[in-house]
Amino acid sequence: DAMVIQNPRYQVTQFGKPVTLSCSQTLNHNVMYWYQQKSSQAPKLLFHYYDKDFNNEADTPDNFQSRRPNTSFCFLDIRSPGLGDAAMYLCATSRGRLAGEQFFGPGTRLTVL
Amino acid sequence: AQSVTQPDIHITVSEGASLELRCNYSYGATPYLFWYVQSPGQGLQLLLKYFSGDTLVQGIKGFEAEFKRSQSSFNLRKPSVHWSDAAEYFCAVGATMEYGNKLVFGAGTILRVKS
Repeated sequence: DAMVIQNPRYQVTQFGKPVTLSCSQTLNHNVMYWYQQKSSQAPKLLFHYYDKDFNNEADTPDNFQSRRPNTSFCFLDIRSPGLGDAAMYLCATSRGRLAGEQFFGPGTRLTVL
Repeated sequence: AQSVTQPDIHITVSEGASLELRCNYSYGATPYLFWYVQSPGQGLQLLLKYFSGDTLVQGIKGFEAEFKRSQSSFNLRKPSVHWSDAAEYFCAVGATMEYGNKLVFGAGTILRVKS
């Protein structure tokens, strides 16, 4: 089945230690998104890629970076995680420009010690 | 800017009872509207979506939603709730950007089902 895969499902890191979260997709979608979802809150868009074009949300902290080396893979890098960055990180994809459905991965739960 | 309000943080219903989850949106143009469900520790699964046309939309798992432009609402309904429906439900409005599209989510409604 075509799908969105996130690895790892659970990630523990130390305060200030860089961490990378991975997302891959077999849907061949143009657009990939990263959302941050803190406990009991709605998902919040951090940034997205349309093909190789990177689009950052205005309020996304500089501590968060992303890479998309090819259509299938997208990475979220947190350069110096703080306690406030503990959250579920969700990757999603969509087919293109129209405001259509986004397909979500299962998420990575990040814990910062 | 677009926004979504889900007025109910928690709802508890008995198994077999009917369900309605409320959603109000704010968006200047014709909205694209979605309902997603999230089980604990999982990603979001699409229940249904509205783009245009018939204002009563059927989704998976027996859910339906009705778009009411005059009330800026997109309420989710199910005639008979099952214990497996216990989860968190998010309403979202979509906006087309220059690249891709953006979903703005409501704060979510946690559904509890009692037997």
